[in-house]
Amino acid sequence: DIVMTQSPDSLAVSLGERATINCRSSQSVLYSSNNQNYLAWYQQKPGQPPKLLIYWASTRESGVPDRLSGSGSETDFTLTISSLQAEDAAVYYCQQYYTTPYTFGQGTKLEIK
Amino acid sequence: QLQLQESGPGLVKPSETLSLTCTVSGGSISTTTYYWGWIRQPPGKGLEWIGSIYYRGTTYYNPSLKSRVTISVDTSKNQFSLKLSSVTAADTAVYYCARHVQYAAGPGGIRYSDNWGQGALVTVSP
Repeated sequence: DIVMTQSPDSLAVSLGERATINCRSSQSVLYSSNNQNYLAWYQQKPGQPPKLLIYWASTRESGVPDRLSGSGSETDFTLTISSLQAEDAAVYYCQQYYTTPYTFGQGTKLEIK
Repeated sequence: QLQLQESGPGLVKPSETLSLTCTVSGGSISTTTYYWGWIRQPPGKGLEWIGSIYYRGTTYYNPSLKSRVTISVDTSKNQFSLKLSSVTAADTAVYYCARHVQYAAGPGGIRYSDNWGQGALVTVSP
C-alpha cells in the first residue's frame, strides 16, 4: 500500500496569514505517461463529509477559492492557504488515487489562532 | 444537483453483517464517467477506502477488507450497496458513499471523489 503521511498533525494560524500543510507519499504518484500526479486534497468540517478541494495535485475544484492552492510532484505535496479565513478552520486530508488501495493521510487539523 | 444518501441500520451486533444502501438522485448511476464507492471513518479518526463499483458491476476492494466486503449495484433503482460481514467493534464508523471520477490513464481507473453522501453512523455493539 502507498502510505500517505501529513505534517503537521495540527497547526494554528492567525486570520489573514498563510497556512501550509504537507503530504508525503511512500512511493511516487506521478504517472509518467501523462505527467499527472494522482493526488487530491479534501477539507472536512465537524459533522460533514469531506469536500474535494484539489485534484491532480494542483487543479482546483469548481467553487474552491483561489486562496487555496496545491503544489508538488512525485512524493512531496503541499496545500497552501494564502490568507486564512475563519471558514478555513477544518481538518484537511490528502489522498492518493494512483493505485488501489486508495489511501489517505492521517489528517491535519487547522485552527484559527 | 447530484445527491447521495446512505441508509441502513445504525446498530449491528458483533459477528453479524452490516448492510448499507446509497441512493443516487439528480443523476444516473449508469454513466461511463464515474465509479461509485464506500469510504468509512471511525469516530475521531481518518478515512479508509472500502471499495468501489462501476455501473456494469466491476468492483475494486481494499485488500484489508476484501474477504468480508461485497459491493453491488442496482441500476434500476439508481442505488448501490455495501455488505460487510462478521463485524466487530473495530467496524464502528461513519460510512460514506461517494462518487469517484473515472479516468482510464494509469493504474486502475478510479480517481478522486467529487461527491459524497452525508454519512451514516454504524455502531457495532451487542
